[in-house]
Amino acid sequence: EVQLLESGGGLVQPGGSLRLSCGASGFTFSNYALSWVRQAPGKGLEWVSVIRNSGSEIFYAESVKGRFTISRDNSKNTLYLQMNSLRAEDTAVYFCAKGLSASCYDALDVWGQGTTVSVSS
Amino acid sequence: DIVMTQSPDSLAVSLGERATINCKSSQSVLYSSNNKNYLGWYQQKPGQPPKLLIYWASSRQSGVPDRFSGSGSGADFTLTISSLQAEDVAIYYCQQYYSSPFTFGPGTKVDLK
Repeated sequence: EVQLLESGGGLVQPGGSLRLSCGASGFTFSNYALSWVRQAPGKGLEWVSVIRNSGSEIFYAESVKGRFTISRDNSKNTLYLQMNSLRAEDTAVYFCAKGLSASCYDALDVWGQGTTVSVSS
Repeated sequence: DIVMTQSPDSLAVSLGERATINCKSSQSVLYSSNNKNYLGWYQQKPGQPPKLLIYWASSRQSGVPDRFSGSGSGADFTLTISSLQAEDVAIYYCQQYYSSPFTFGPGTKVDLK
């Protein structure tokens, strides 16, 4: 069964840092692009970042550019999101999602259950 | 950035009736070199992650009931549920993956009438 499992969320003070992880199983991890999508409480979906299968292509939403870093370790089947300089508006459930192909330019066919990040003093 | 809009914001449909959701992009998401529309549709139920229903604007994801269909091209798209079932009550989002940032629409909530 194809699965994604996020971890690393929690409560952090404004200006703090967190690193989210997303462990994958059930598919050849190195063959697919992976994304982070977040959802603030009671709000819609906001795309955050994507990384190509090889890591050679990365994109970010403007709202996180310069503060968040996406990365992957294909030997560990794990996707990461390093989040620095966190703000209250970063409070959300963070989902990792698998793309339909190696390309960043594709729909997202498998989603994790999400991990909650709360930024508050 | 490509801005995605959806209409209506919400709709209530009787069991067995048709539900139609519209999605518009601020610019075309049709890539001329492969004639593909870089547009997907997702369903999200409360407390669950989104689920991919449709990709390339009209290709149904494996396991998705055939009452769900996508249509449209360029900048205007439609998701149709031909005969609404109780389990289809959810919020539906469109997303363009033509250019970064790969923006989502604001969502359309579908309820039972």
